[in-house]
Amino acid sequence: AQTVTQSQPEMSVQEAETVTLSCTYDTSESDYYLFWYKQPPSRQMILVIRQEAYKQQNATENRFSVNFQKAAKSFSLKISDSQLGDAAMYFCAYRNSGTYKYIFGTGTRLKVLA
Amino acid sequence: KAGVTQTPRYLIKTRGQQVTLSCSPISGHRSVSWYQQTPGQGLQFLFEYFSETQRNKGNFPGRFSGRQFSNSRSEMNVSTLELGDSALYLCASSTGLAGGIADTQYFGPGTRLTVL
Repeated sequence: AQTVTQSQPEMSVQEAETVTLSCTYDTSESDYYLFWYKQPPSRQMILVIRQEAYKQQNATENRFSVNFQKAAKSFSLKISDSQLGDAAMYFCAYRNSGTYKYIFGTGTRLKVLA
Repeated sequence: KAGVTQTPRYLIKTRGQQVTLSCSPISGHRSVSWYQQTPGQGLQFLFEYFSETQRNKGNFPGRFSGRQFSNSRSEMNVSTLELGDSALYLCASSTGLAGGIADTQYFGPGTRLTVL
């Protein structure tokens, strides 16, 4: 069975600095997708960024980028120029290609310090 | 385009009662998935419906059930409520058609269920 592990329950970053959130996963599949979701205190889960396993190029969305290491089964999220609005729970998620069952990590709470 | 909506947003029930939660997906989306979120267990997948059929199921007891209507709206029912059922219940919708990365889930705001 696939698993997703986020080993950092909580992290802090100074405003305007860069922070990296870690995520590792375990799977025997070769075709899958990885996601980072953000859940602010208002609770609405928002998609931040996504990555296809067969693409070697790391995905980037504005200040958010990932470091995808397929062999190491690692999928970290880098947030550059952190802003107060980035404070939230961040969840890493996995999905096999062709299925609709997402497996989520336990989340990392990110605090942004002014 | 309107996002995923869930009703009610808050619910308080007592042990032994049953509850029904509702989810309206984004227009055009035919897949609806349900998740239970608790501080201890994180996000746990309950089930996914597509075109009124349950397509995927998580590891929850039979007290948790769902259905989907022809307009893709979905309901989740929990019977014989237990204290441990207190959680945030999230639903998410997607087109459910291709399974590719573009078919990403978008979440609703959740229903906070408290069981006393």
